[in-house]
Amino acid sequence: QKEVEQDPGPLSVPEGAIVSLNCTYSNSAFQYFMWYRQYSRKGPELLMYTYSSGNKEDGRFTAQVDKSSKYISLFIRDSQPSDSATYLCAMSPASGGSYIPTFGRGTSLIVHP
Amino acid sequence: DVKVTQSSRYLVKRTGEKVFLECVQDMDHENMFWYRQDPGLGLRLIYFSYDVKMKEKGDIPEGYSVSREKKERFSLILESASTNQTSMYLCATDHNWVTNTEAFFGQGTRLTVV
Repeated sequence: QKEVEQDPGPLSVPEGAIVSLNCTYSNSAFQYFMWYRQYSRKGPELLMYTYSSGNKEDGRFTAQVDKSSKYISLFIRDSQPSDSATYLCAMSPASGGSYIPTFGRGTSLIVHP
Repeated sequence: DVKVTQSSRYLVKRTGEKVFLECVQDMDHENMFWYRQDPGLGLRLIYFSYDVKMKEKGDIPEGYSVSREKKERFSLILESASTNQTSMYLCATDHNWVTNTEAFFGQGTRLTVV
């Protein structure tokens, strides 16, 4: 079992829909949770990161962490065609001296007009 | 804006060649990383570096080496390229040198080994 599981999709939604992207994980030491967006033929770019449990909002994006279920989500409100990309989750522990993130495989999102 | 520049977008090399992938960052970040990205496998860490002349193996270091002679430059070396090293290679730095929660990636180098 991989430490971080992410459905590769593709997830296809109409413009304006609320999108939910998810990752599950098995390592209870993970404390930092990140979401990256990667457009085709580009490198990933950080959307946001959260520490431990709870929600964090940035514009149309909300990151949610449920540590009891080992489940994280990224919600995109009022989705736009420009949101079409691959979304990667990543997570890292907060102890042990080597905070190297583990990435999910990415979910491909297509928002059609 | 942080800039992470990889020397080539596309490379085609022959089996057995020694290949150098260069990465330069302009933000004085301590940490630098090399990943490869393959369909269905996601991002896998090859090597990382916390400081000049310092390197640590990642999850898949076999067949690769790295060099960090200057803080801003981190090179990935394929000692003898093989077809299974055909991949997208991504260099990254991280603004947060402790938690590595704010990575900045280069545009990637798509390497084809024939």
